Amino acid sequence: QVQLQQSGPGLVEPSQTLSLTCAISGDSVSSNSATWNWIRQSPSRGLEWLGRTYYRSRLYNDYAVSVKSRITINPDTSKNQFSLQLNSVTPDDTAVYYCARGLRLGQFDYWGQGTPVTVSS
Amino acid sequence: QSVVTQPPSASGTPGQRVTISCSGSTSNIGSNYVSWYQQFPGTAPKVLIYRNDQRPSGVPDRFSGSKSGTSASLAISGLRSEDESDYYCAAWDDSLSGVVFGGGTKLTVL
Repeated sequence: QVQLQQSGPGLVEPSQTLSLTCAISGDSVSSNSATWNWIRQSPSRGLEWLGRTYYRSRLYNDYAVSVKSRITINPDTSKNQFSLQLNSVTPDDTAVYYCARGLRLGQFDYWGQGTPVTVSS
Repeated sequence: QSVVTQPPSASGTPGQRVTISCSGSTSNIGSNYVSWYQQFPGTAPKVLIYRNDQRPSGVPDRFSGSKSGTSASLAISGLRSEDESDYYCAAWDDSLSGVVFGGGTKLTVL
């Protein structure tokens, strides 16, 4: 059974960096058949895919156009987890952030518990 | 404004069959697999359908998916009160090089 456990602060000041971590159990961040994704949800934006990291002989990253200049997703093979960093946040980045495992046929089959993040001073 | 469009709401009575549509374009639904998710308040989405019409184990066969051209549909037959939830479609978009979600449909069981 795959489990994804999220951790990180729920409050971030404007212009600072949002940092979240997703610890994986039951699978490996270096798996050649899965992708590791960050998705957020807010009343104004709905569900929004932010990006992913995955290994297919080498490391790949894909990021949503809307956040491409501000986002970094990194795997940590030693701890079997992956992280999200979103720079220069504004109140518009206030949302519930989820990590999720993606499979080859496109579905997200396991999700973290969600982390509500508020951007406010 | 979502790249992929869903009706904001749908409703039905117990036992009825309800269909939720998802309209996209050639760069997303028209050329990639569609998945559907069910989400209850305060919880993470759960996959109901993947690869357009496949159900993960444990999902009742009352839920079915289909795709034609640039549109997809989720059908729920034998509607139950516990089906009252939000439903989202998703697909990879080749132009955006990312996953796009529909805006979601809130299903009410009358």
